[in-house]
Amino acid sequence: AQTVTQSQPEMSVQEAETVTLSCTYDTSESDYYLFWYKQPPSRQMILVIRQEAYKQQNATENRFSVNFQKAAKSFSLKISDSQLGDAAMYFCATLIPGTASKLTFGTGTRLQVTL
Amino acid sequence: EPEVTQTPSHQVTQMGQEVILRCVPISNHLYFYWYRQILGQKVEFLVSFYNNEISEKSEIFDDQFSVERPDGSNFTLKIRSTKLEDSAMYFCASIWGRRGYTFGSGTRLTVV
Repeated sequence: AQTVTQSQPEMSVQEAETVTLSCTYDTSESDYYLFWYKQPPSRQMILVIRQEAYKQQNATENRFSVNFQKAAKSFSLKISDSQLGDAAMYFCATLIPGTASKLTFGTGTRLQVTL
Repeated sequence: EPEVTQTPSHQVTQMGQEVILRCVPISNHLYFYWYRQILGQKVEFLVSFYNNEISEKSEIFDDQFSVERPDGSNFTLKIRSTKLEDSAMYFCASIWGRRGYTFGSGTRLTVV
């Protein structure tokens, strides 16, 4: 069974500053994918960034980047130049390819962005 | 950009009633899913559906739940006799290949 742990229930960052959200996971699989999803107050699930485990290069999407440490099973999300619109719940998730290809989510980190 | 559409956005039902949540996945996607999120908790997998049958279901997905794709476009989740603890946000999602899920905007189910 896969487990995903987000040890920071809440984080706060000032506008324009940088924040890092932590995520660790546990899997015995060698082929898997990692995701960060953003959930604003509307509760929609929005894909922020994805990482293939076989790729050593860390994924980046504009102001969002990850620090993927495969040996440590760590997958942190860095948000640069934080904006008020970044305030949301952030969920880390793993996906094991297969017939089901289901996502396993962490418990989430609530990010507040202050002026 | 293609979207997964869910209706209704909010459903209120009385305990013991049947409820059907509807989803229209992205047309060329092959795998369909239902997830549940109880308020303030993490998102949990309910069921996956591929080639017109369930490919995997979680412990949550008991005999009270069923899914079907009746007409090749809609994908429905039925709860036969709702309980208070079924109150949650229900997300439909679809996937093509390994690029990641596209989630619908969710249906908030309130059981009273």
